This record gives sequence, structure tokens and C-alpha cells, in this order.
Amino acid sequence: AQSVTQLGSHVSVSEGALVLLRCNYSSSVPPYLFWYVQYPNQGLQLLLKYTSAATLVKGINGFEAEFKKSETSFHLTKPSAHMSDAAEYFCAVSEFNNNDMRFGAGTRLTVKP
Amino acid sequence: DGGITQSPKYLFRKEGQNVTLSCEQNLNHDAMYWYRQDPGQGLRLIYYSQIVNDFQKGDIAEGYSVSREKKESFPLTVTSAQKNPTAFYLCASSPDRGGGETQYFGPGTRLLVL
Repeated sequence: AQSVTQLGSHVSVSEGALVLLRCNYSSSVPPYLFWYVQYPNQGLQLLLKYTSAATLVKGINGFEAEFKKSETSFHLTKPSAHMSDAAEYFCAVSEFNNNDMRFGAGTRLTVKP
Repeated sequence: DGGITQSPKYLFRKEGQNVTLSCEQNLNHDAMYWYRQDPGQGLRLIYYSQIVNDFQKGDIAEGYSVSREKKESFPLTVTSAQKNPTAFYLCASSPDRGGGETQYFGPGTRLLVL
């Protein structure tokens, strides 16, 4: 069965610094990969998704992620953090034959002024 | 505006009581899902439904029940058999159950035990 591991439950960066949130996946077939963001006491909002069309995926709010098959990774990056990026981020994986989506445990991003 | 609504935002349950969480979508999606979120554990699937009058257990279905009588509605009942119901509950929908379909989420219901 597919799964994802998010490395680091908490990440803290300064405003204007690079944001890097790590996600590694496990799947026996080519995966579909997602990043969602959750603000306090709200639902999840899709940031971006990988569906094999291109390895570098651009999402909303200046985020992007790169699919690296050799490393089984799908890390999320943003060149310059903004205070409004403070939230919890979830990586998720599903497979081509079903939409059984598996979520990582989440990474809480803190942005310091 | 199309989207998913969940109500209530907060719900309090007494010991031995069944409570029902509402989920409605006007996206015309076939598939709907219920997840439970606990701190540090991500989202865990409780139940999902691919079509009206059909639903399947997820990973943590014990103590929960659902119905899918209408395409747009997928209510979740937390029964008295669920001994640790305090959590944030999220409803989601997707166009169908095909791989790669984005799941769209509602704003959530926080369930607390009195």
C-alpha cells in the first residue's frame, strides 16, 4: 500500500528565507502526489499536485515541488517565506487505480519576523 | 459558489450519546469521504462513498456509521461505541474514485466530549 513520510513535524524559518518541507513516498505503482495546506481550525486546501505531466510542479502562493523518482521524494519549496505561510502542510499520495489517498503526519511551518 | 459545507463547527457529546455531523457538497461529485484528524497523526479515513446508496469502511470505521441517500449529502454519526471521539472531523469530495483525483475539503467539525 502507498504511504508518505514527512520529515520534521515542525519547521521554523525567518521571513524572506527559503522554505523546504520534505516528503518521501512509497508506492508500488507510479504515484499521484499532493501537497495541501491547513490553517488553524480550517479544512485542507490544495497547494499543488503531481500527475506525471511534469516533474516540477508549480502551485499557488509561490510554492512548487519537484518529483524525484530516484529519491522517492516530493519536497515542497518556496524561495521567500511570508508571515502568511505559517500553517500546517500535508503531503499525500494516491495511486492510478483508486483514490485511496494516504496523508503524512503533517509539518507545522512557523515564520519568524 | 460551489463547495463543501460542514455543520456544526463545534459539537459537544455527552457520554453514551450518538451525534451526527453534517456534510453537504454542491460540486456534483460522485465520491465523498470522512476523515478524522488528531494532532501529529495526519488524516485517517473513516468511511468513503463512491456513489449514492453505497459506502465502504476506511481504516478506522469502528464506532462510526454513515449514509448516502443523496448525492450531495454524506452525514457521519459518531456512536456511543466510539470511546475516544474527541477530534477534528473533515469531510471531502472528489469527482470520482479514480486515481489522481483531487479531494476537496470542507471546513471541519470539532467534536468535544463533555
